[in-house]
Amino acid sequence: KAGVTQTPRYLIKTRGQQVTLSCSPISGHRSVSWYQQTPGQGLQFLFEYFSETQRNKGNFPGRFSGRQFSNSRSEMNVSTLELGDSALYLCASSPDGFSQETQYFGPGTRLLVL
Amino acid sequence: DAKTTQPNSMESNEEEPVHLPCNHSTISGTDYIHWYRQLPSQGPEYVIHGLTSNVNNRMASLAIAEDRKSSTLILHRATLRDAAVYYCILRSKETSGSRLTFGEGTQLTVNP
Repeated sequence: KAGVTQTPRYLIKTRGQQVTLSCSPISGHRSVSWYQQTPGQGLQFLFEYFSETQRNKGNFPGRFSGRQFSNSRSEMNVSTLELGDSALYLCASSPDGFSQETQYFGPGTRLLVL
Repeated sequence: DAKTTQPNSMESNEEEPVHLPCNHSTISGTDYIHWYRQLPSQGPEYVIHGLTSNVNNRMASLAIAEDRKSSTLILHRATLRDAAVYYCILRSKETSGSRLTFGEGTQLTVNP
C-alpha cells in the first residue's frame, strides 16, 4: 500500500494570504489527523476528521480549519497567515481512529510565511 | 492523557544497545505506553506499544516496570539510521479518537 502523501511538500506565502494543504491517507483509512510542528512548540495536534466529520480539535484559533472528503482525503486551510504559522504541517491516518491504533504519518508540508 | 518525562538527549555508539527511559508516574490503569520516533526531515513513525507486559517487535523491545511508573525502549543494536527523536506517549484505551500528545522527546545521537 502507498503511504500517506501530502502536497505540496514546500510552500512560501506572505502574511495575510491563505493556504490550503492536502493529505491523502493510506487506502482504507478513515481517520485523518493534522499536526503542526515548530521548534518552539514541538508537535501539536490541530484536529482529526473521521467520515467527513471533525471529531477532535486542538487549541488553535479559528483561522485553522479543515475538511474531509468522501474518499477520506483531507485538506486543511489557514486563513490570514501570520509569521508564526511557519511550520511543518503533518497529517496522519489510521483505519478507524481508535486510541490504540497505529498512526501513520506523511512527510509533511513545510510552510514558510514571509 | 497523562504526562511523560524523558531525557532531552542521549548518545550511543553504533552496534551497541540503547536504553531510552521514560517516566510516567501518573499513569492510570487504562493507559497504554506508545513509542514513536521521528527521523530527520520525516514524519513520526510508530515503534512499539504495550500495556503491562514487555513487548518485542522487529524494531525494538519495550520493558515496562512492574508498577508501570516507568518504561524503557530498547534498541538492541543501534545503527546510524536510528538517530532520531524518540517520543514516549500515553494513550488511554478510554480515549476516543486518534489524537497523540507529544512531549519533547529524546534526541538520540548514534556515533559511528
